[in-house]
Amino acid sequence: DIQMTQSPSSLSASVGDRVTITCRASQTIRSYLNWYQQRPGEAPNLLISAASTLQSGVPSRFSGGGFGTDFTLTISSLEAEDCATYYCQQSYGTPWTFGQGTRVEVK
Amino acid sequence: QVHLVQSGAEVKRPGASVRVSCKTSGYTFTAYYIHWVRQAPGQGPEWMGRINPNSGATTYSPSFQGRVTLTRDTSNRTAYMEVGNLRSADTAVYFCAREGDAMVVPWIAYWGQGTLITVSS
Repeated sequence: DIQMTQSPSSLSASVGDRVTITCRASQTIRSYLNWYQQRPGEAPNLLISAASTLQSGVPSRFSGGGFGTDFTLTISSLEAEDCATYYCQQSYGTPWTFGQGTRVEVK
Repeated sequence: QVHLVQSGAEVKRPGASVRVSCKTSGYTFTAYYIHWVRQAPGQGPEWMGRINPNSGATTYSPSFQGRVTLTRDTSNRTAYMEVGNLRSADTAVYFCAREGDAMVVPWIAYWGQGTLITVSS
């Protein structure tokens, strides 16, 4: 299985801060990397596909980057509504695997 | 619009089996893979497997191979996930989900509301 490792596991930041979450794959996954946001009691919601493609309706303050084994999700200016857990997920090979998540708290 | 509606919560004894249904609408059922993902309390999502609704072909995670069966009923636009030999560690919310319109990199675009399966003696 391809292991996905996210860091940090949690963070606390203020409104307006720039936040970056990293995700590392245990082997190359090219750009087969997606990012999801999950709020408590809800299903995950796709933010970014193929490492850097912002999904329709997702605010432009979210961006993704990376290729191969190292990826990032950046929130350029944190807003209160961004309080959630964020997961990376690879679809390069089966079984699909998710990172362990990064919990973002807004101070 | 696309909808995936799952069956309701269940409580099962250890060793029992459970089947969760996922009724779809709003798109061509046979055109997109259906995936099953579970999430234990306080944990991240865990991919269980997928089914091609057109052919019925399945791919399972090795973690669930032999204990999970994915099927579909094309006439009713419904996918099913059955887990056997349940244990307490299987207590989780189980989601069905549909792939998006990916040209190259597949992703999950739509999710069911989730079904809580509780395994307890």
